Amino acid sequence: DAKTTQPTSMDCAEGRAANLPCNHSTISGNEYVYWYRQIHSQGPQYIIHGLKNNETNEMASLIITEDRKSSTLILPHATLRDTAVYYCIVRPSQGGSEKLVFGKGTKLTVNP
Amino acid sequence: EAGVTQFPSHSVIEKGQTVTLRCDPISGHDNLYWYRRVMGKEIKFLLHFVKESKQDESGMPNNRFLAERTGGTYSTLKVQPAELEDSGVYFCASSQVGLDMLDTQYFGPGTRLTVL
Repeated sequence: DAKTTQPTSMDCAEGRAANLPCNHSTISGNEYVYWYRQIHSQGPQYIIHGLKNNETNEMASLIITEDRKSSTLILPHATLRDTAVYYCIVRPSQGGSEKLVFGKGTKLTVNP
Repeated sequence: EAGVTQFPSHSVIEKGQTVTLRCDPISGHDNLYWYRRVMGKEIKFLLHFVKESKQDESGMPNNRFLAERTGGTYSTLKVQPAELEDSGVYFCASSQVGLDMLDTQYFGPGTRLTVL
């Protein structure tokens, strides 16, 4: 079972920031937070990951609370092409490669 | 750099027939994963190869599914005989563990399988 809780759906206006929350209250010290998204009919796309520090890349920013029990993915200027299902996933950082456990994710709709 | 590719993109077969799905990982990636999403359900893990060895096949639904990765390059997933409940989208992902001991999985576009 997924170890994260996300809202089922969210809406955002085009050009505005989209802030997608994720709760992972049972996260362990060696577990990272990963974000993927799935645009309709495509394969899941990696967005960003982090352990405890905030992270930023060309796609998004990831803000992790100090207690690591929740995080927020930020798309700074959402476009219509960002409409997708966004998945927050926790997985171990050591012990070799681990499978991804997908939950239901958040369906983000970016409106014009 | 080419991404993960999967073939075919769509397959429609009748119950009882055999279908083979193929995945070509990103060049140099030792890890190869298979996942699937059946209608209305979440994406579920099927199995994981490290090079040519099966590292974890705990998600394989039953013995009608056979995955291979001869030579540690591309992988095939055969369903024989196919049943109606096998319909869904099958995704392949590949990754390589970096110096930070993390691996980021990159997914292919998927194969949509319809069993009639």
